[in-house]
Order: sequence, then structure tokens, then C-alpha cells
Amino acid sequence: EIVLTQSPGTLSLSPGERATLSCRASQSVSGSFLAWYQQKPGQAPRLLIYGASRRATGIPDRFSGSGSGRDFTLTISRLEPEDFAVYYCQQYGSSLYTFGQGTKLEIK
Amino acid sequence: QVQLQESGPGLVRPSETLSLTCTVSGDSMNSSTFSWGWIRQPPGKGLEWIGNIFYGGNTQYNPSLKSRVSISVDMSKNQFSLRLSSVTAADTAVYYCTRLVMVLAARFDFWGQGTLVPVSS
Repeated sequence: EIVLTQSPGTLSLSPGERATLSCRASQSVSGSFLAWYQQKPGQAPRLLIYGASRRATGIPDRFSGSGSGRDFTLTISRLEPEDFAVYYCQQYGSSLYTFGQGTKLEIK
Repeated sequence: QVQLQESGPGLVRPSETLSLTCTVSGDSMNSSTFSWGWIRQPPGKGLEWIGNIFYGGNTQYNPSLKSRVSISVDMSKNQFSLRLSSVTAADTAVYYCTRLVMVLAARFDFWGQGTLVPVSS
């Protein structure tokens, strides 16, 4: 099983700042199978990025994804108030979909 | 716009079987482009993939749950269902039904709102 480790666990930033979230895999992951989701309290997760770097429909261009192999990054270029939430990375490998434990992005 | 809606009992007793149904609206389920499945989230915790059913009826389950899980589909009603047997308190979670896109790059693009299923006597 491929384990995804997200860092930091909590990120405290102010609106307008740049956020960089990390997702590291225990084994190499095909970029085609790496996705990022945003979850707000009481809501279902929302797909942001798939294929490591492709934005999902309707996602603002301040969200971008990058990386390959074992290391992937989600970047939010200029934080808006609605971006403060929990973010999960997710991969598919060895017939199993797994998620990272999440990074909470909170207002500083 | 595709919409998914979970339905099922609000409480399940330990050792019994949890049964949930997801109704899909806004599109037909009958396409090889998509797979349909379930993901759960214990209160205050992260996400756990349960399993998916693919076009043609093939299924894929999380090995940690495989012995207790069954996912089925009813194309005539645009619904798919989850059964999880021999539940314990550890199965208490919000259960989400999801659509998995299979082309270009696999991703869960649509989710239901989720339904909390407590397991308690």
C-alpha cells in the first residue's frame, strides 16, 4: 500500500499570501493518479487538481499542482478567505486508492 | 450537472449490516467512462476509499474491508448500493457516494453530500 504523508499538518497564513502544501508518497506514484481535494466543514470534498497538475472544471487559476515520482505540491498563489479549509492528496496504485491525512489551512 | 444523493438508515446496530443507496441524477450511469463507488470519513478523521463498481459490473474493494463489502448497481433506477456486514463502532462514519472518472487521469469528480451512519446499540 502506498502511504501519502502531507505536510505541514496545519498551515497558518493570511489572505493574500501564498500557500504551499506538500504530499509525499512512500513509493513512486504515476502523475496520472495524483489528485488534490478541498474540504470545508460539513461539506463533501471538492476536486481541485487531477493528473498532478490539471485543474478541475471551475477551479480558479490561483490553484496549481506540480510534482512527480514521490513528491507533489499544491500551491495557492494568493489566498482568498474561502480557501481556508482542509486539503487532501489522493493516489491510485496497486489496486487501491489512498488519501493523505490532510493539511488544515487556517487563517493567521 | 451530475448530482449524487445518499440514502439509508440513520443508525445501525453492532454486528448488523449497513446498507446505503446512492441515486444519480443529471446523467446516465451507463457509460464505460465512469465508475461508481463509496468513500467514508470517521468523525474528525481522514478519508478512506471503500470500493467501486465498474461498467460491466466488475468491482474493486479496499483490501482492509473486502471480506465485508459489496457494491451493486441498478441501471434501471440510476442507483448503486453499498452493503457492509458485521459492523462495529469503528465503522461509524460519514459515507459519501462518488463518481470516478476513468479517462485521462483517474479522479473522484462528483460526490454526494454524505450521510452520517452511527453504529451503536
